[in-house]
Amino acid sequence: AQKVTQAQTEISVVEKEDVTLDCVYETRDTTYYLFWYKQPPSGELVFLIRRNSFDEQNEISGRYSWNFQKSTSSFNFTITASQVVDSAVYFCALSVNRDDKIIFGKGTRLHILP
Amino acid sequence: EAQVTQNPRYLITVTGKKLTVTCSQNMNHEYMSWYRQDPGLGLRQIYYSMNVEVTDKGDVPEGYKVSRKEKRNFPLILESPSPNQTSLYFCASSIPGLAGFTDTQYFGPGTRLTVL
Repeated sequence: AQKVTQAQTEISVVEKEDVTLDCVYETRDTTYYLFWYKQPPSGELVFLIRRNSFDEQNEISGRYSWNFQKSTSSFNFTITASQVVDSAVYFCALSVNRDDKIIFGKGTRLHILP
Repeated sequence: EAQVTQNPRYLITVTGKKLTVTCSQNMNHEYMSWYRQDPGLGLRQIYYSMNVEVTDKGDVPEGYKVSRKEKRNFPLILESPSPNQTSLYFCASSIPGLAGFTDTQYFGPGTRLTVL
């Protein structure tokens, strides 16, 4: 069965610090997608990134970066020089080839303190 | 503007009174899905649809029905709502991805439902 674990329920950091959100996934499938979504206090869900299982290249987008490691089944998300606007709940999710469901982790609530 | 819309955004109702939450997308996406979000439980999939007239159960389908008569619409029906269905509901749509399965999902703004 597929599973996504976000072990960090809640994290607080001071503005300008770097912070890493962990995501560990479980699947026996060799073809899958991984996602990160952001849910700000306003409540909407905002897509951040998609990674397919054949592409282990790390990705950087401005202050955001993602580290995909199949060896440890992890897809961690780092925010560099955090800002108050980064305060949100962040969800990691998994979609596998033979199953059209998408499995979400329980989310990590990130507080960036001014 | 590409978007997923849901109506109503907020609803307070009473136990047993049938209700429908509508979901519509203008991106010609084949895949649509409904989720509920509850504190501490994250998002859980209720139902999904791979295309018109094709629907399937997600992880928590009990007490819900869906239909997919047109590609753009995917309504969620609660025939007899109960208080444990009080939740925040999200509709999503998606393009087909690698090997045809689910790619990036675009979410609606959410519907906050309270069942008294």
